[in-house]
Amino acid sequence: DVKVTQSSRYLVKRTGEKVFLECVQDMDHENMFWYRQDPGLGLRLIYFSYDVKMKEKGDIPEGYSVSREKKERFSLILESASTNQTSMYLCASSAGEPSTDTQYFGPGTRLTVL
Amino acid sequence: AQSVAQPEDQVNVAEGNPLTVKCTYSVSGNPYLFWYVQYPNRGLQFLLKYITGDNLVKGSYGFEAEFNKSQTSFHLKKPSALVSDSALYFCAVRDMNRDDKIIFGKGTRLHILP
Repeated sequence: DVKVTQSSRYLVKRTGEKVFLECVQDMDHENMFWYRQDPGLGLRLIYFSYDVKMKEKGDIPEGYSVSREKKERFSLILESASTNQTSMYLCASSAGEPSTDTQYFGPGTRLTVL
Repeated sequence: AQSVAQPEDQVNVAEGNPLTVKCTYSVSGNPYLFWYVQYPNRGLQFLLKYITGDNLVKGSYGFEAEFNKSQTSFHLKKPSALVSDSALYFCAVRDMNRDDKIIFGKGTRLHILP
């Protein structure tokens, strides 16, 4: 079974802090994604990566950056956390063709910024 | 613009009755369509997808979806609902105009009443 793990289930940070959300997948998948999930808005793509050291902006990249130094790990960074970044963050991975292959999701990190 | 719509925020169904969760799409070219489910406090899980071929797609947990090109719909169905089917359901479509990324609908919360 594919396993996608996220470093924390719940996280509470203060405004202005730098926040790291880690995601690791164990199936040698090429593609990795970061989404945020908000009620009534569904999932919105923040950043994605189709290869090591590669990253592309999604729909809402402002205030975020990412790092993919190793194939299995994709990190989301909030450079200076703000209250409007309070959300559920979901990481996903997939193999092969991004548009047709199943995405496998981690359990999510619920981030609260005070 | 390519899009996916879930017209119902919430659907209530009595246990044992058939259920339908609606999804409509707007894409250019061939649609690649997906359904995912999110159980409480969990990440998203893949249910099924339509890429090509038979219009009736069978997936996990007894769910199926019917691709209807003339109505641009991809409704999720199950003949007999279980209380354990209560969850948040997301329809998704490949977006050819945005590097083939997957875009998700806003989600439909399904309540199965005992």
